[in-house]
Amino acid sequence: AQSVTQLDSHVSVSEGTPVLLRCNYSSSYSPSLFWYVQHPNKGLQLLLKYTSAATLVKGINGFEAEFKKSETSFHLTKPSAHMSDAAEYFCVVSRPNTGFQKLVFGTGTRLLVSP
Amino acid sequence: DGGITQSPKYLFRKEGQNVTLSCEQNLNHDAMYWYRQDPGQGLRLIYYSQIVNDFQKGDIAEGYSVSREKKESFPLTVTSAQKNPTAFYLCASLDRGQEKLFFGSGTQLSVL
Repeated sequence: AQSVTQLDSHVSVSEGTPVLLRCNYSSSYSPSLFWYVQHPNKGLQLLLKYTSAATLVKGINGFEAEFKKSETSFHLTKPSAHMSDAAEYFCVVSRPNTGFQKLVFGTGTRLLVSP
Repeated sequence: DGGITQSPKYLFRKEGQNVTLSCEQNLNHDAMYWYRQDPGQGLRLIYYSQIVNDFQKGDIAEGYSVSREKKESFPLTVTSAQKNPTAFYLCASLDRGQEKLFFGSGTQLSVL
């Protein structure tokens, strides 16, 4: 069985300061992990994915995430927040080679960016 | 301009009524998915289709039905058996090569 826990429902930062969105996972297998972003009343967009290659994954818009097996974590970071980063972020876990019908979504973290 | 189009953006259902949400894609993807999103929760899978004329139940299929008569289209019907239909519904298709889901902009369904 797989599960994913996003540790913060809301994160508030000031523009220009670092962003950290935390995600812990549980999986019986070596997982595939994803971060998606959702802007208000929009669909989700893939930010980045980890599929057992490099543990530090770089994504779009300056975001990156590090897979830490010992900590079962896949935290999302960005060195400097921009106003346009304000959105909801979802951490997603999947069992490799089972098809995308086995995705498990976290409950989301809403990122608020103040000027 | 390739992508996934969901319509309508907002939909209202009367008690006892069936309503159909449209999802069309021009990305030439075989696999398509319907998710339900409730506030404070992650997405939950309703139905998915790996190929034309085939579809499978997801985790919360009760009260919903789908069809997949064309590769481009994957409509979702919310039947009167779905007692709590108010939610944001998202359609997605899968680029298998990139392992990447492409999402539509969603339909907000509310009950009158």
